[in-house]
Amino acid sequence: SAVISQKPSRDICQRGTSLTIQCQVDSQVTMMFWYRQQPGQSLTLIATANQGSEATYESGFVIDKFPISRPNLTFSTLTVSNMSPEDSSIYLCSVEREGAYNNEQFFGPGTRLTVL
Amino acid sequence: AQKITQTQPGMFVQEKEAVTLDCTYDTSDQSYGLFWYKQPSSGEMIFLIYQGSYDEQNATEGRYSLNFQKARKSANLVISASQLGDSAMYFCAMSHLDMDSNYQLIWGAGTKLIIKP
Repeated sequence: SAVISQKPSRDICQRGTSLTIQCQVDSQVTMMFWYRQQPGQSLTLIATANQGSEATYESGFVIDKFPISRPNLTFSTLTVSNMSPEDSSIYLCSVEREGAYNNEQFFGPGTRLTVL
Repeated sequence: AQKITQTQPGMFVQEKEAVTLDCTYDTSDQSYGLFWYKQPSSGEMIFLIYQGSYDEQNATEGRYSLNFQKARKSANLVISASQLGDSAMYFCAMSHLDMDSNYQLIWGAGTKLIIKP
């Protein structure tokens, strides 16, 4: 299984500022996913990030608000821009296990973001 | 449209009893996978078990088993001999091939399971 780390693990931010979340994987992976989990809710996919191409955003999420970088096969960042209290969530990155027949995804520990 | 339904927002179960968490799904895909994840209060998502749509036998992983009934489009998670550490949110998810030919997971709303001592 892949080992995934995220930084920061949690943060408290002021309205209008931006936060960049890092996701590091201990092996090379093709696909990385960024999810948002609002309090008491299920996971919502923000975007899929493949190395060497622009991230693909889901409906309701735009690049200006959630810019994503994917500079190599082991690393990605998600920036939450111009934050508002509604952005308070857990942000999770995940990867698809390479060679898996079942498309199993492994998750990082998450970043708990609180926006005041 | 693809959809996962978990009808139990919360459940209380006595320790050592078995518990069944419900999951029904809707999909037009011929091939798909069904997953269960556990999310403790710490927030991490822990993969528990997988069932492929063409798998004839129900998946089992230790105390976890998946009761797969394809005709009914249900994929219930069964936890045998529940333990206090099983208290967590449980999410059912289904793989789906999107328009860009990438697999993504469709998630249910989750069930909060509390094990009583």
